[in-house]
Amino acid sequence: QTVVTQEPSFSVSPGGTVTLTCGLNSGSVSSRYYPSWYQQISGLAPRILIYNTDTRSSGVPDRFSGSILGNKAALTITGAQADDEAHYFCLLYMGSGIWVFGGGTSLTVL
Amino acid sequence: QVLLRESGPGLVEPSETLSLTCDVSGYSISTGYYWAWIRQPPGKGVEWLGSVYHSGSTYYNPSLKSRVSMPVDTSKNQFSLRLDSVTAADAAIYFCARLDRITAYPGLFDTWGQGLLVTVSS
Repeated sequence: QTVVTQEPSFSVSPGGTVTLTCGLNSGSVSSRYYPSWYQQISGLAPRILIYNTDTRSSGVPDRFSGSILGNKAALTITGAQADDEAHYFCLLYMGSGIWVFGGGTSLTVL
Repeated sequence: QVLLRESGPGLVEPSETLSLTCDVSGYSISTGYYWAWIRQPPGKGVEWLGSVYHSGSTYYNPSLKSRVSMPVDTSKNQFSLRLDSVTAADAAIYFCARLDRITAYPGLFDTWGQGLLVTVSS
């Protein structure tokens, strides 16, 4: 069974930089999994931030960036703001129309 | 502006079939795009359930494949979710979403409904 792993929680100070990661229990994450990142603020539907590893969706601030770091996908927030406090989910494409979400990271800004 | 809205019963009995509908406005689903169902148990992570094209072509989460179907009704501009033999584990907020495979392959879930909470209980 494919399991996409994320840190359960993370904390960052306002103005600070944080990197969230997305791994696979069965190996490395590379761009061939087309990693994407979604932000979910409490009570709302998830919102697309990054797709295909490093492409920002329309309207997403440039303090959000995506990359591959080692054997994981990564979402970096540079200059975190209070309204970045949210859950962040990564999503991997496994091929053949199949998608798998990670368990999500709860980010606290304080 | 494309809007999606989920509708259906908020309470389903164990072993029964969960049926939800997603009404799409601002865009004709016959034109293109894939459409999807995604769920989130309260306080937990997100799970992709499946995607469907207006032609009826589908992709389902392998863990649900035997229980799930996603019919499309282009005349009503809506698509649906049917999940058979539900258990307490199926209680979740159910979202419908648009899978944009035009902007980029293999796609991004760019538009979501507000979500509908479904409880499983007798």
